[in-house]
Amino acid sequence: SAVISQKPSRDICQRGTSLTIQCQVDSQVTMMFWYRQQPGQSLTLIATANQGSEATYESGFVIDKFPISRPNLTFSTLTVSNMSPEDSSIYLCSVEGGGPGDTQYFGPGTRLTVL
Amino acid sequence: GDSVTQMEGPVTLSEEACLTINCTYTATGYPSLFWYVQYPGEGLQLLLKATKADDKGSNKGFEATYRKETTSFHLEKGSVQVSDSAVYFCALSLHQAGTALIFGKGTTLSVSS
Repeated sequence: SAVISQKPSRDICQRGTSLTIQCQVDSQVTMMFWYRQQPGQSLTLIATANQGSEATYESGFVIDKFPISRPNLTFSTLTVSNMSPEDSSIYLCSVEGGGPGDTQYFGPGTRLTVL
Repeated sequence: GDSVTQMEGPVTLSEEACLTINCTYTATGYPSLFWYVQYPGEGLQLLLKATKADDKGSNKGFEATYRKETTSFHLEKGSVQVSDSAVYFCALSLHQAGTALIFGKGTTLSVSS
């Protein structure tokens, strides 16, 4: 299994500012996934990040709002830009543990509150 | 399209009661099926999985059997504990590299002593 850490674990931010969330994995992985979990809801995929190429965004999510970097095979960042209270959520990164369609392992999440 | 449907919560039980959380899926092909658990204030942890029909996943007293004929993967535990209080998510994977999981909406379990 993969061990994933995220920073920060939580933050309280002001409307209109941006926050960058870091995700670090203890092994090299091809794909990393970013999810959003709004209060009391299930997980929604934001984007898939492949090292060396642009992230692929799901419907309803755009690069200007959620820019993603993937500089190497163990690290990725997600930025939440120009935040509003509606962005208050838990943001989670995940990776596949092995081959295609294998178990996905999740980081502990970043709890974001926007005032 | 591919989807996962879980029973609505919350589920409230007394300690040592039996638990069943229903999960059914719709998918093309033969997905892998998962149960994840989210304890209060934490991220998602893999609870158990099954990769083919009739497989039974088990962990921490929980178990679920992959039933292709009924497209189901119900989570069961014979005797719940207060520490099992959490949100449980059923999910499927389509065996394609780089494809994200498809999650159900989650079921909140609350166990009282």
